[in-house]
Amino acid sequence: NAGVTQTPKFQVLKTGQSMTLQCAQDMNHEYMSWYRQDPGMGLRLIHYSVGAGITDQGEVPNGYNVSRSTTEDFPLRLLSAAPSQTSVYFCASSTRPGTSGLSSYNEQFFGPGTRLTVL
Amino acid sequence: AQKITQTQPGMFVQEKEAVTLDCTYDTSDQSYGLFWYKQPSSGEMIFLIYQGSYDEQNATEGRYSLNFQKARKSANLVISASQLGDSAMYFCAMSPSSGNTPLVFGKGTRLSVIA
Repeated sequence: NAGVTQTPKFQVLKTGQSMTLQCAQDMNHEYMSWYRQDPGMGLRLIHYSVGAGITDQGEVPNGYNVSRSTTEDFPLRLLSAAPSQTSVYFCASSTRPGTSGLSSYNEQFFGPGTRLTVL
Repeated sequence: AQKITQTQPGMFVQEKEAVTLDCTYDTSDQSYGLFWYKQPSSGEMIFLIYQGSYDEQNATEGRYSLNFQKARKSANLVISASQLGDSAMYFCAMSPSSGNTPLVFGKGTRLSVIA
């Protein structure tokens, strides 16, 4: 199993450019999510999905779009990049809570991250 | 809404000593889960330990243990016999009872182990 993969690992954009961060998992996990990590802020949830065709907003969704057409893939789109979106982006996946016998067990398996710089 | 508070931005510990990283949480749910993750300088997120709100025993995983005090809403991570490789960022996180949303994370504590 490759686990959770993210591409690219590094990206530099100019203000106003658009791009898509790719995320894929091969563990047949129903749940997938995108976080951003900024210094001193911890991980903040951008968008998440509880299954193919279902997405929802997290804490900081503005400026980002997602879609989930397959169980495996969960791309994150930056529509018009801004310097405030300079961050490290993590994709994560998990099984549906309760499937391990523990109703609140929701361990997130993380990808290696994408370091994005917007100039 | 759930909230995780980690009040120690940075901690130092001598090698081979034990260290406690603080985590308090706020929730009105009766059922929830608490997690600790480690992030070394290489950047990956490593799952360390889990505690369910109904677990009567504190969770342990090797040198890691979770000091769970439900009435105080605290879930402190204890690392025994610290090693140089323990130097990293440590994040406390919570899973809501519904489990329908991903984890809520604290801002983290940077642990430095000194030889």
